[in-house]
Amino acid sequence: NAGVTQTPKFQVLKTGQSMTLQCAQDMNHNSMYWYRQDPGMGLRLIYYSASEGTTDKGEVPNGYNVSRLNKREFSLRLESAAPSQTSVYFCAGGPGQVYGYTFGSGTRLTVV
Amino acid sequence: TQLLEQSPQFLSIQEGENLTVYCNSSSVFSSLQWYRQEPGEGPVLLVTVVTGGEVKKLKRLTFQFGDARKDSSLHITAAQPGDTGLYLCAGVDRGSTLGRLYFGRGTQLTVWP
Repeated sequence: NAGVTQTPKFQVLKTGQSMTLQCAQDMNHNSMYWYRQDPGMGLRLIYYSASEGTTDKGEVPNGYNVSRLNKREFSLRLESAAPSQTSVYFCAGGPGQVYGYTFGSGTRLTVV
Repeated sequence: TQLLEQSPQFLSIQEGENLTVYCNSSSVFSSLQWYRQEPGEGPVLLVTVVTGGEVKKLKRLTFQFGDARKDSSLHITAAQPGDTGLYLCAGVDRGSTLGRLYFGRGTQLTVWP
């Protein structure tokens, strides 16, 4: 099925550990996004990428890095995880304004 | 700063009732999108409204974009248990060529049989 695939679906980290969340899309979209969703906070943009090789900060980029190595894949890295990064992370891709965005099913991350 | 304010935050109703969810902002958006999210899944696009005053219907769901393109509403007629979910509005940044989205905090709708 066409769409956005995120791995892993669940992850538990200890404080200070690092990990990379993977995202791949097969819709040939130029733009890709990483959001985090916390209870009562809605979806907040972490980083986005307008095209292969370009990335920009969103609303809450601190503690994260991203990489857009090719058109399909956009990864999110936590270098030193903190409990405040416990959240559900969503990757999205899309043409944007009119046709909307396609979201992955999310990665539920717990940092203890 | 929350650009988009959604209300109510929670809504619990009986099957067959009507309801309206509001999405308000002091900012003008080039378009506004509504998403529905179910537990354990990502948001799924319901509709995009682009023109001020635009009304779109999707079966029992009616979406309206305010004349000034600052607010929107979602009206559901004769709600059903299958309508249960988190409804999110998202405004597209007028100044962004990427179509960057700003989300409201969502309305959690529960429809009881």
